[in-house]
Amino acid sequence: AQSVTQPDIHITVSEGASLELRCNYSYGATPYLFWYVQSPGQGLQLLLKYFSGDTLVQGIKGFEAEFKRSQSSFNLRKPSVHWSDAAEYFCAVVNQAGTALIFGKGTTLSVSS
Amino acid sequence: NAGVTQTPKFQVLKTGQSMTLQCAQDMNHEYMSWYRQDPGMGLRLIHYSVGAGITDQGEVPNGYNVSRSTTEDFPLRLLSAAPSQTSVYFCASSPLGTGASGANVLTFGAGSRLTVL
Repeated sequence: AQSVTQPDIHITVSEGASLELRCNYSYGATPYLFWYVQSPGQGLQLLLKYFSGDTLVQGIKGFEAEFKRSQSSFNLRKPSVHWSDAAEYFCAVVNQAGTALIFGKGTTLSVSS
Repeated sequence: NAGVTQTPKFQVLKTGQSMTLQCAQDMNHEYMSWYRQDPGMGLRLIHYSVGAGITDQGEVPNGYNVSRSTTEDFPLRLLSAAPSQTSVYFCASSPLGTGASGANVLTFGAGSRLTVL
């Protein structure tokens, strides 16, 4: 069965430091991949997506992600974290039938001053 | 545009009661879905619909019912609430048929927090 793994449940990063959130997926063909962010008490907002083409994709709020087929990974990065980036981050992949997104369990990001 | 609107935002039920969570979108999206979010579990798909009159089950459909009589609305019914249904529920929609550049980018509502006592 398809799955998405986010190995880190909780990460704390100092403000201004770089960030990398890990995501691994299981999928046979070329996947459609997403990163969403959820602020406390809010719905999910799309950060970026990968469907095809350039494996390095740029998103909103200064985030980027790199698709690596050989590693089945789609890690999210930001060069300099701001306190407002504290939130929960979800990686997701479209299922084989194209009928739903399968989400990872999320990574909570805390930002320390 | 309002996007995806969910009501109510909060609800407390007693075991055995029934209720409907409402979801409406004004983007003319064909695809609509309901997810539940539980701590440490991520989001799990309950039901989805690819158009008016068409619904299908997701990963965790038991205890829930849906219908899609219009493009805009996709209500989720709890027939007999159980404490295990205490969760935050999200409705999400997306267009269909727009190709790889647009398909499956979900727009989420703000969520409905349900507590079953």
